[in-house]
Amino acid sequence: NAGVTQTPKFQVLKTGQSMTLQCAQDMNHEYMSWYRQDPGMGLRLIHYSVGAGITDQGEVPNGYNVSRSTTEDFPLRLLSAAPSQTSVYFCASSQVTGLAGANVLTFGAGSRLTVL
Amino acid sequence: KNEVEQSPQNLTAQEGEFITINCSYSVGISALHWLQQHPGGGIVSLFMLSSGKKKHGRLIATINIQEKHSSLHITASHPRDSAVYICAVGTYNTDKLIFGTGTRLQVFP
Repeated sequence: NAGVTQTPKFQVLKTGQSMTLQCAQDMNHEYMSWYRQDPGMGLRLIHYSVGAGITDQGEVPNGYNVSRSTTEDFPLRLLSAAPSQTSVYFCASSQVTGLAGANVLTFGAGSRLTVL
Repeated sequence: KNEVEQSPQNLTAQEGEFITINCSYSVGISALHWLQQHPGGGIVSLFMLSSGKKKHGRLIATINIQEKHSSLHITASHPRDSAVYICAVGTYNTDKLIFGTGTRLQVFP
């Protein structure tokens, strides 16, 4: 049972570089989402998707891009990394019965990103 | 004012103590979630509830919809319960969740 797999676990970037955080789930979940976790703040939603081909912005979408070409994968792209994007990133997925927020979330292990 | 507030922010306890963590919210919700995050670790869902009370082992979660308040109780606490406990709400009419900032619990032997 793989659940939600995030890669890489750690990454150091220089300002201006681009990269993609990968997220894959094998539970056939329709809902997938990306969060960032910063000290003293709660998890904040970056982007989410309720199914293949459908994405929407969360609370802090600027500087990030997503796509959902398959049910399994939901990559998060940093277009031009900035020090303010230094954070721990979590991917999560759930079934969608009614509203996504009324379904149990399964989280990935997290990806720690440092932008110098 | 944050839409989801947790108290206390930090909590220390002796092994065996009864622990309560509180969560208050100000938005209409579809459900409330309690999550656990161990140091350096991932996030695990403990409970999802929209009314009443749920119990799993030594953990009990309650919610009062009228008062917009939920509590997470840990009976007979153990050092392995040391973690950050996060409250999150699924917002009414959207697919978004709003998270509290978490309560850091340390249980000493």
